[in-house]
Amino acid sequence: GDSVTQMEGPVTLSEEACLTINCTYTATGYPSLFWYVQYPGEGLQLLLKATKADDKGSNKGFEATYRKETTSFHLEKGSVQVSDSAVYFCALSRQGAQKLVFGQGTRLTINP
Amino acid sequence: EAGVTQFPSHSVIEKGQTVTLRCDPISGHDNLYWYRRVMGKEIKFLLHFVKESKQDESGMPNNRFLAERTGGTYSTLKVQPAELEDSGVYFCASNRPGQESGYTFGSGTRLTVV
Repeated sequence: GDSVTQMEGPVTLSEEACLTINCTYTATGYPSLFWYVQYPGEGLQLLLKATKADDKGSNKGFEATYRKETTSFHLEKGSVQVSDSAVYFCALSRQGAQKLVFGQGTRLTINP
Repeated sequence: EAGVTQFPSHSVIEKGQTVTLRCDPISGHDNLYWYRRVMGKEIKFLLHFVKESKQDESGMPNNRFLAERTGGTYSTLKVQPAELEDSGVYFCASNRPGQESGYTFGSGTRLTVV
């Protein structure tokens, strides 16, 4: 079945450091790929998405590129801030399907 | 617009008791979903309502879980009787038909079974 694997957390970085959170997936066909973020005390929010190979999703300084050849969708940011501290979830949905398949989440803590 | 509301935000119950979680979706959102995250693992799909009908309940773990959406508005998820392994965070989400990625999630209900 479909699955998403994220790098193990927690991840702790200093402010202005570079961030990469790895995400790989297994799915038939051409799924859509997403990154969701959960800030403390809040619900999940869509951070960015990509719907086809080589698409790049971006938002709030974060980027992720849909790599079909490596079945990956790694999340990157060049300079993180304390306010980026949250749990990040990689997810996919099959074409035409409503439900999401999530990875296990990566807790990110940014220290000032 | 108001977001997806879930309550309670936290619930602690003893093994064998019954708990009912409630989700109020965004008004006009026909699709309603339940997900849960157990023990820091991945968030897993439980079921999907379209209005009052269950479109997909393939993720429901067993018959101790009962979801309803009477009238196609709010939804409840009842666990009876609760077991220790049911502990986790239960998320609700909603969207309009065709909004494949336009989910709005609630803040979740943290359920602890002791």
